[in-house]
Amino acid sequence: AQSVTQLGSHVSVSEGALVLLRCNYSSSVPPYLFWYVQYPNQGLQLLLKYTSAATLVKGINGFEAEFKKSETSFHLTKPSAHMSDAAEYFCAVTTTGGFKTIFGAGTRLFVKA
Amino acid sequence: EAGVTQFPSHSVIEKGQTVTLRCDPISGHDNLYWYRRVMGKEIKFLLHFVKESKQDESGMPNNRFLAERTGGTYSTLKVQPAELEDSGVYFCASSQDPMSSYNSPLHFGNGTRLTVT
Repeated sequence: AQSVTQLGSHVSVSEGALVLLRCNYSSSVPPYLFWYVQYPNQGLQLLLKYTSAATLVKGINGFEAEFKKSETSFHLTKPSAHMSDAAEYFCAVTTTGGFKTIFGAGTRLFVKA
Repeated sequence: EAGVTQFPSHSVIEKGQTVTLRCDPISGHDNLYWYRRVMGKEIKFLLHFVKESKQDESGMPNNRFLAERTGGTYSTLKVQPAELEDSGVYFCASSQDPMSSYNSPLHFGNGTRLTVT
């Protein structure tokens, strides 16, 4: 069965610093991986997705993630944090057959001025 | 296009009462999902509709939860009777592709925050 582990429930960075949010997955078949973001009082929005094309995936708002099969990881990065990036980020994987998406517990990103 | 809408945004009820949550998916989206997030934990799958049919209800916690999607449009999730552990945020999501969610990412509503006291 597929599963997702996000390392760190809270991450704090300074404005302008590198953002790194960690995600490891478990899947017996090639996975389809996603990052979603939730801003306060809003629903989740898709940031980016990996569907077996390029291993480096670029998303919205300057975020990108790299699929590393050998490490079963799909970490999310952004070179320079902005105050508006403060939100909760969820890594997710689809199940075999693609009908169900499994989410991690989320990582809340704080950006300090 | 209008997004996924959920009603109410908040609900506070007493243990033993009944609550019905509603979700209106994006028009034309055959796939409709219910998820729940208990405070601080992962977002857990509850069930998946394809049009009016339940494709997968393996995540429904117990028989106090009943989901319907009559006519394949909006969906309701009823909790009867509510228990304290039912508190959390209930998200609805929809997607367009009838075959898979990886080609057609989920569009989420803002959620309903349910508090059972």
